[in-house]
Amino acid sequence: DTAVSQTPKYLVTQMGNDKSIKCEQNLGHDTMYWYKQDSKKFLKIMFSYNNKELIINETVPNRFSPKSPDKAHLNLHINSLELGDSAVYFCASSQAWLAGAYQETQYFGPGTRLLVL
Amino acid sequence: AQSVTQLDSQVPVFEEAPVELRCNYSSSVSVYLFWYVQYPNQGLQLLLKYLSGSTLVKGINGFEAEFNKSQTSFHLRKPSVHISDTAEYFCAVRRGGATNKLIFGTGTLLAVQP
Repeated sequence: DTAVSQTPKYLVTQMGNDKSIKCEQNLGHDTMYWYKQDSKKFLKIMFSYNNKELIINETVPNRFSPKSPDKAHLNLHINSLELGDSAVYFCASSQAWLAGAYQETQYFGPGTRLLVL
Repeated sequence: AQSVTQLDSQVPVFEEAPVELRCNYSSSVSVYLFWYVQYPNQGLQLLLKYLSGSTLVKGINGFEAEFNKSQTSFHLRKPSVHISDTAEYFCAVRRGGATNKLIFGTGTLLAVQP
């Protein structure tokens, strides 16, 4: 009954490869996010979707492309992986966006540890 | 622009001692404040949050935090820590208004020693 799940948990790959990370939430939430946590544990938002619509798109290389097939899923595809992409990627979800529900909490997945060699 | 400062990257403390993890924020508008905990090799879990009302907020696992608007602080406290509290603690801020974008601090590692 995991709330926010991510696959895979670990991903080791070579530079230049293309890879995808998947995220699913079973909380019935409308909004999902991708965060990147670097080697110094700094956590920064990358993207956010609300009901399959992109609402936050931070300064991220266009090699990163999020896709939301439905509001329960938000996948992250990364093209031409670079060494600097090595990090932990967290997916999160929250109940509402712009619904006056400012108290909404973001629930995080367990993370995907990406290592680019 | 908002920012969050956690001055202490690591706080060592003995078991059963009290602890305070500091968090300061900068914002010109009203904010909502959060503390998250990350246990080793796990995702983030919400400890507590301040949205409005009482400035003293109680969370899970015996933690509490106090919102101080004049000092723009939201320090996290626990009167007696356990070994199991060893984890990374992140303070985060969200601007009041039409956004759900969280800005995180750099984290504080709470290292509880026996």
